[in-house]
Amino acid sequence: QKEVEQNSGPLSVPEGAIASLNCTYSDRGSQSFFWYRQYSGKSPELIMSIYSNGDKEDGRFTAQLNKASQYVSLLIRDSQPSDSATYLCAASLEAGNNRKLIWGLGTSLAVNP
Amino acid sequence: ETGVTQTPRHLVMGMTNKKSLKCEQHLGHNAMYWYKQSAKKPLELMFVYNFKEQTENNSVPSRFSPECPNSSHLFLHLHTLQPEDSALYLCASSLGGAWGYQPQHFGDGTRLSIL
Repeated sequence: QKEVEQNSGPLSVPEGAIASLNCTYSDRGSQSFFWYRQYSGKSPELIMSIYSNGDKEDGRFTAQLNKASQYVSLLIRDSQPSDSATYLCAASLEAGNNRKLIWGLGTSLAVNP
Repeated sequence: ETGVTQTPRHLVMGMTNKKSLKCEQHLGHNAMYWYKQSAKKPLELMFVYNFKEQTENNSVPSRFSPECPNSSHLFLHLHTLQPEDSALYLCASSLGGAWGYQPQHFGDGTRLSIL
């Protein structure tokens, strides 16, 4: 069973702190990884994609990929209350005859003013 | 026009009703998806259409019937649903081709309640 695992949280951080969200995946052959943000009652919104080992930065967001250890993380610097949401990790995993995005359950983040 | 538009946003139906969900994308994509999102469960992929051809049916009950008349439009026809089918139904799209590697862009979803 191909899986993507995330700590469901809630992860609570004070405003201005760094929030660190982690995700592990089961397929060593996976090549594409995505972080989505989902506000309560809304649809998932793509915030980061990463395909190569190392760090990728976009504004306050940094995605980190370590294929050897099979984990991908998302760092949010200078966290704001508006960052409070559920963060979904998705990885392109081999499933049956196809490769498809497999989703984690999501980590709930609360940024406290 | 927003990228991916879903209608209706909310739907309440009885178990014997027939209804349809509609999705339209304005991103020029060629792959479209239906997902089911239930509380405390990961997103469940239901169907994939890649260049109008259905390439994935994830063991979805036949009471859900997808239709993709062109690369911009996707429908989900519903009939004789069960209470456990109450969920948020999300449509998404991506570039197409090797769809399993691509980021997907979501519509706002249809919140479905079965009485």
